[in-house]
Amino acid sequence: AQSVTQPDIHITVSEGASLELRCNYSYGATPYLFWYVQSPGQGLQLLLKYFSGDTLVQGIKGFEAEFKRSQSSFNLRKPSVHWSDAAEYFCAVAYTSGTYKYIFGTGTRLKVLA
Amino acid sequence: DTAVSQTPKYLVTQMGNDKSIKCEQNLGHDTMYWYKQDSKKFLKIMFSYNNKELIINETVPNRFSPKSPDKAHLNLHINSLELGDSAVYFCASSPLFGPQHFGDGTRLSIL
Repeated sequence: AQSVTQPDIHITVSEGASLELRCNYSYGATPYLFWYVQSPGQGLQLLLKYFSGDTLVQGIKGFEAEFKRSQSSFNLRKPSVHWSDAAEYFCAVAYTSGTYKYIFGTGTRLKVLA
Repeated sequence: DTAVSQTPKYLVTQMGNDKSIKCEQNLGHDTMYWYKQDSKKFLKIMFSYNNKELIINETVPNRFSPKSPDKAHLNLHINSLELGDSAVYFCASSPLFGPQHFGDGTRLSIL
């Protein structure tokens, strides 16, 4: 069955450090790929998306993600984390294989140390 | 101007009751969704409608019934509420396969 895996449930980084959140998917073809962020008590907000073309995509708030077809990965990165980046991050994929699917990963909770 | 709005924001009710949550979007999207997020933040899709047609119907109890009167509205009705239904329910909308815009959630608590 198709799935989205975020292997890190929690990540803690110091403010100013770099960040990489991992996301792997299982699907035969290239799906549409997304990263969302959820702050406490809020709905999810789109950070960035990949549909096709350049495999390095830029998003809001200084985030970027790189699609690697050979690794079925779409990892999220930020060169310097700010305290306000503390939140829950979700990777998601959308595709159709006869039926339409939109699947979210289990999320990674980011904690930022001052 | 709110893009995806859900009402109510909070819903506290007793086991066995029937309740509805309403969702409206003003983004002109064709597709709308309902999600359930549990206490561990796991986000599970429940239903999706595209142009008023049901396109995703995941394994949820048949006590949950979505209704889409038009493509800007997707309501969720829940019959015979149970303790396990306590969660945050999110509505979202998008172009088909596109990025989703989420509402702020409805926090449902069952007493």
